[in-house]
Amino acid sequence: DAGVTQSPTHLIKTRGQQVTLRCSPKSGHDTVSWYQQALGQGPQFIFQYYEEEERQRGNFPDRFSGHQFPNYSSELNVNALLLGDSALYLCASSLAGTGPREPQHFGDGTRLSIL
Amino acid sequence: RKEVEQDPGPFNVPEGATVAFNCTYSNSASQSFFWYRQDCRKEPKLLMSVYSSGNEDGRFTAQLNRASQYISLLIRDSKLSDSATYLCVVIKAAGNKLTFGGGTRVLVKP
Repeated sequence: DAGVTQSPTHLIKTRGQQVTLRCSPKSGHDTVSWYQQALGQGPQFIFQYYEEEERQRGNFPDRFSGHQFPNYSSELNVNALLLGDSALYLCASSLAGTGPREPQHFGDGTRLSIL
Repeated sequence: RKEVEQDPGPFNVPEGATVAFNCTYSNSASQSFFWYRQDCRKEPKLLMSVYSSGNEDGRFTAQLNRASQYISLLIRDSKLSDSATYLCVVIKAAGNKLTFGGGTRVLVKP
């Protein structure tokens, strides 16, 4: 039973470029959440997708957008990359309706470096 | 004020010793609490949930104090492999959005 998988593992971009990160949820899960973790900090919630719609959003600019596909996989897109976007991007999946007590499990993350 | 705050450490702990640290949260409506462990350049992994009555998992003990709005983690008989960053996580009532603290770094030394 595959857990959460993310691709690519590492990515190097330059300022102003655009990037797409991908996430496949754990089998049986239908909700995907994305987090950004800058060096030395805790992860920060970007947004959550369920039923192919953005359900919740954290304090991130519109440069950050996402998508969820019918198979529950998800993409995170970041436009006009800034140096400050360099971070580990984490994807977590869960099953809607399981309630707040159900912990989420993370993929290995994508390490994005902006030059 | 941050929603979830932790002492960043590092806590330098002799092997075999006990270490404990807290995490404070600002939203009294928070429902669920967890400790995650994160090794360097790896993803966070669930260590344990935190229940109102307190709970143990082997050498790890977690406590919740709703009145003072903090949770704690105690590690007994520390092992070298316990060296990691420990992330406090709080979930509010709806949506399963995780709110993380900044993490507490623990270094266990021989």
